[in-house]
Amino acid sequence: EAGVTQSPTHLIKTRGQQATLRCSPISGHTSVYWYQQALGLGLQFLLWYDEGEERNRGNFPPRFSGRQFPNYSSELNVNALELEDSALYLCASSDYRTLGYNEQFFGPGTRLTVL
Amino acid sequence: DAKTTQPNSMESNEEEPVHLPCNHSTISGTDYIHWYRQLPSQGPEYVIHGLTSNVNNRMASLAIAEDRKSSTLILHRATLRDAAVYYCILDSGGGADGLTFGKGTHLIIQP
Repeated sequence: EAGVTQSPTHLIKTRGQQATLRCSPISGHTSVYWYQQALGLGLQFLLWYDEGEERNRGNFPPRFSGRQFPNYSSELNVNALELEDSALYLCASSDYRTLGYNEQFFGPGTRLTVL
Repeated sequence: DAKTTQPNSMESNEEEPVHLPCNHSTISGTDYIHWYRQLPSQGPEYVIHGLTSNVNNRMASLAIAEDRKSSTLILHRATLRDAAVYYCILDSGGGADGLTFGKGTHLIIQP
């Protein structure tokens, strides 16, 4: 069974540009989560999508947004990029409805560098 | 989510048991205790979770204190591949929400 996949692996942008990151969950998983892992700050929860809807977001400004498509894949958009947005962005998926608990499966991440 | 406290780092020898502690004194009655680990250059992976009783799986065991204010992840026989950052997380969502990761414990395994 294929795991969570993310693209691109690396992304280099300049300040003020927009970045789009993509995530494909494990087949059958309806929930997708986005996290930011900046150096020295640990993993920070960004967004949770389930059944096509945004269910919750962490303490991030509105320029961090995304969506979930009918096939449950997801896109994270970061507008007006700032230098401090440089980080590893991790996507995770979950099938909590079937399992009854929130085991999240993580992808390998997208390394975003803002110059 | 309630807060957890873990040591910054621990060191152990290969093929010996490792006990990773976690304090969560403000845990509520419905909070699940989850453990994840993150190997170098990889995303986190689920290790184990529990609510009240001790739990075992193929990767590890989870010992939960009777008052649930602390727990211990036990790796029965550490290998070099177990070197990672281990995160103890409380999940209050019943659980479907984003997880709150702290700094975790950096486990170093000596050959």
